[in-house]
Amino acid sequence: AQSVAQPEDQVNVAEGNPLTVKCTYSVSGNPYLFWYVQYPNRGLQFLLKYITGDNLVKGSYGFEAEFNKSQTSFHLKKPSALVSDSALYFCAVRTMFSGGYNKLIFGAGTRLAVHP
Amino acid sequence: DTGVSQNPRHKITKRGQNVTFRCDPISEHNRLYWYRQTLGQGPEFLTYFQNEAQLEKSRLLSDRFSAERPKGSFSTLEIQRTEQGDSAMYLCASSPVIGQGVAFFGQGTRLTVV
Repeated sequence: AQSVAQPEDQVNVAEGNPLTVKCTYSVSGNPYLFWYVQYPNRGLQFLLKYITGDNLVKGSYGFEAEFNKSQTSFHLKKPSALVSDSALYFCAVRTMFSGGYNKLIFGAGTRLAVHP
Repeated sequence: DTGVSQNPRHKITKRGQNVTFRCDPISEHNRLYWYRQTLGQGPEFLTYFQNEAQLEKSRLLSDRFSAERPKGSFSTLEIQRTEQGDSAMYLCASSPVIGQGVAFFGQGTRLTVV
């Protein structure tokens, strides 16, 4: 079965320091991987995706993610954290239905807290 | 605003009452999804529409739940005889047929059953 694991419930980082939010996945076939962010009282916002190609994917707001096939990981990173990055982050994998359409399977989420 | 719109944003209802939520997807997006998110969890898939056809339903969608997308544009999700366990955030998302699976989410409807 396809699944996503986010091993950390919360990540605490000082402003200006680099941040990493971890994600591992289990899929059959080639993975399509996504990161979304959720701010309070807001919907999920798409950050970035990995479909194929370069293992380092760049996305919105200075975030990037590194795809590692051997470790089945897709960790979210940012070189210098901002207080405004504090939010709930979700990793997701796309799974296909037999009819060729798809849905997303999400991890449980990681709360990022950036302290001034 | 051309994003996904959901109404109402919040709904408090008594156990046993029926509720209906509406989702207006991004125009020209053929695909529409409903997800449910409970506290401390990621969104869980409920159902999928391509145009007006409901093509997939999760086992989470009990007989008390029904979803429609009558003209392939907006969608409604109805919960009959609500239970306290139905309390959650209900999220709607849409995506085009192309676009490598990127789904755009609405702000959600938070349901509280008392």
